[in-house]
Amino acid sequence: SQTIHQWPATLVQPVGSPLSLECTVEGTSNPNLYWYRQAAGRGLQLLFYSVGIGQISSEVPQNLSASRPQDRQFILSSKKLLLSDSGFYLCAWSYHQGAEQFFGPGTRLTVL
Amino acid sequence: AQKVTQAQTEISVVEKEDVTLDCVYETRDTTYYLFWYKQPPSGELVFLIRRNSFDEQNEISGRYSWNFQKSTSSFNFTITASQVVDSAVYFCALMVDSNYQLIWGAGTKLIIKP
Repeated sequence: SQTIHQWPATLVQPVGSPLSLECTVEGTSNPNLYWYRQAAGRGLQLLFYSVGIGQISSEVPQNLSASRPQDRQFILSSKKLLLSDSGFYLCAWSYHQGAEQFFGPGTRLTVL
Repeated sequence: AQKVTQAQTEISVVEKEDVTLDCVYETRDTTYYLFWYKQPPSGELVFLIRRNSFDEQNEISGRYSWNFQKSTSSFNFTITASQVVDSAVYFCALMVDSNYQLIWGAGTKLIIKP
C-alpha cells in the first residue's frame, strides 16, 4: 500500500531563517506531487506541483521554492522565512493529473 | 472561472442525527471532477470520494452518501446517524480537465455533540 511521510511535524523558526520541509512517498512510482499551505481556519492554497523528477510548477510567486531530487521525494525550501510563511504545510500525491490526491500528515510551521 | 461554495461555515448536531453538507460548484468545462475530503483535528486531509461529471449516480458508503445533481451544480454530502468521530472540517473541491488544479471550498466545520 502507499504511504506518504512528512517531517518535521511541527517547526518554530525565527524570521529570516532558512526552511526545508521534506515529503516522501512509498509504494508507488512516478507520482504527481504537490505542496499546499493552509492558513489557520482557511482553505488550501496550492504552492507547487511536480509531474516528474526535476519538473516543478509554481502556482504562487513567493519566497518559497520546491525541488524533486528523486522520484518519490519532494522538498519545500526557503532561504529567508517571513512571518506570513506561518501555516500548515501539506504534501500530497496522486497517480496522475485528474486523480484524487492523498495527503500527508502535514507540518505546522510557526515563524516568530 | 471555477468556484466552489460551501455556504455552511459550521454545523452542530447531536449524535445520531442525520446531517447534510452542501456544496455548489461553478464551471463552464464539460469534463470535471468533484471531491470531498475530511480534515479531523489532527490536520491530515482524508480523501472520501471522487466523482466525474459524466457520472451522476448517487453513491453510498456505509453511513456516508453523496448526491450529485448537475442541474443545480451541487454535490451534497450526507452523514446518516452521525457519530462524535465524524466531527471534522469537510472540504468540497472541484478539478477541471483543462488544468487539473483542485479548487477548494472554504470548508464546513461539523460538530457532533454526544
